[in-house]
Amino acid sequence: GENVEQHPSTLSVQEGDSAVIKCTYSDSASNYFPWYKQELGKGPQLIIDIRSNVGEKKDQRIAVTLNKTAKHFSLHITETQPEDSAVYFCAASVYGGSQGNLIFGKGTKLSVKP
Amino acid sequence: DSGVTQTPKHLITATGQRVTLRCSPRSGDLSVYWYQQSLDQGLQFLIQYYNGEERAKGNILERFSAQQFPDLHSELNLSSLELGDSALYFCASSVGDPTGNSPLHFGNGTRLTVT
Repeated sequence: GENVEQHPSTLSVQEGDSAVIKCTYSDSASNYFPWYKQELGKGPQLIIDIRSNVGEKKDQRIAVTLNKTAKHFSLHITETQPEDSAVYFCAASVYGGSQGNLIFGKGTKLSVKP
Repeated sequence: DSGVTQTPKHLITATGQRVTLRCSPRSGDLSVYWYQQSLDQGLQFLIQYYNGEERAKGNILERFSAQQFPDLHSELNLSSLELGDSALYFCASSVGDPTGNSPLHFGNGTRLTVT
């Protein structure tokens, strides 16, 4: 089955710096890669996703890149702000039909210092 | 607010007991997923229902069961509880359309503590 590895487990940056979180996956059939942000006491919230027919996607300060050959994808946050502090999860799935169960990485705790 | 409602928010019970967790999906969503989140295992997929039918199964223990009702709400039943079952249990929903273009939206979870 699918296995998703996520690095680093913790990341501390200064406000205004960039943050990069990397994930690798094992199942070459996976074709959907979302990123979730989880704040304390809340459920994971989808922040951006990418499908295997796209190499890069941007949404304001957030971007995701996908390298299908190497089976890895990354989250890039630019101009970080204190409110970006949270746990970020990457995930992968074979998306089709009604089966969309996601396999998650173990998370990255991002701390943005003012 | 994701639109997914989970009750109760907190649950404290003793080993050997049985509990039921409830989830109401977003309006219009046909798929419901259950995930378990513990400190050492991260987010683990348990089970998925689509329009009342079981569609996919993950690492769900035999002591656990779930169902999705005609009004599309779902319940996760946990029985013969053990200390190791203490965790956050999340429900997520999606439209679940055949093209696969529907992301998951998570509720805020039920925190289960087994003493």
